[in-house]
Amino acid sequence: AQSVSQHNHHVILSEAASLELGCNYSYGGTVNLFWYVQYPGQHLQLLLKYFSGDPLVKGIKGFEAEFIKSKFSFNLRKPSVQWSDTAEYFCAVNTGGFKTIFGAGTRLFVKA
Amino acid sequence: DGGITQSPKYLFRKEGQNVTLSCEQNLNHDAMYWYRQDPGQGLRLIYYSQIVNDFQKGDIAEGYSVSREKKESFPLTVTSAQKNPTAFYLCASSIGRSKSGLADTEAFFGQGTRLTVV
Repeated sequence: AQSVSQHNHHVILSEAASLELGCNYSYGGTVNLFWYVQYPGQHLQLLLKYFSGDPLVKGIKGFEAEFIKSKFSFNLRKPSVQWSDTAEYFCAVNTGGFKTIFGAGTRLFVKA
Repeated sequence: DGGITQSPKYLFRKEGQNVTLSCEQNLNHDAMYWYRQDPGQGLRLIYYSQIVNDFQKGDIAEGYSVSREKKESFPLTVTSAQKNPTAFYLCASSIGRSKSGLADTEAFFGQGTRLTVV
């Protein structure tokens, strides 16, 4: 069965630390990949997406993600986090239809 | 402003009662989705609809029903058959098909409805 794994459920960082959130999926074919973010009290919103082309994707607020096909991974990175990055982050995979599978989410807390 | 509106934000119901959650979008999107969000489990797909008058079951459709009579609206009914209905429910929409004909599944989400069954 198709699945999405997010490696860490909770991450705590100090401001200015670097961030990397892991995401792996299980599907051997073509995929569309997403990272969504849910800030406290706000809608779930798109952070970045990969459909095709350059595997290094840049999103909003300085986030980027790299698609490594051989590793079935789509890790999210940010060089220097801010207190305002405190949120829950979801990796999601679509395999071509209308059914998108979400990971369990990673709660990030950034200490000021 | 274009977006997705879910109502109500909080809903309390007695066990054994059916309850309907509202979802309206004014983004002119063809596709709409219902997800359930539980702690530590991410978002699980309940139902989705690619077009008016058509919908398909997701991974956890048992105990739920939907309708799609209008493009803008995709209400979800949580029936008494749903064994564990207390959860956070999210509605989403996407364009549907891009100009190239490929599925465009970047989703826009509502603020959610927290349902508590007592």
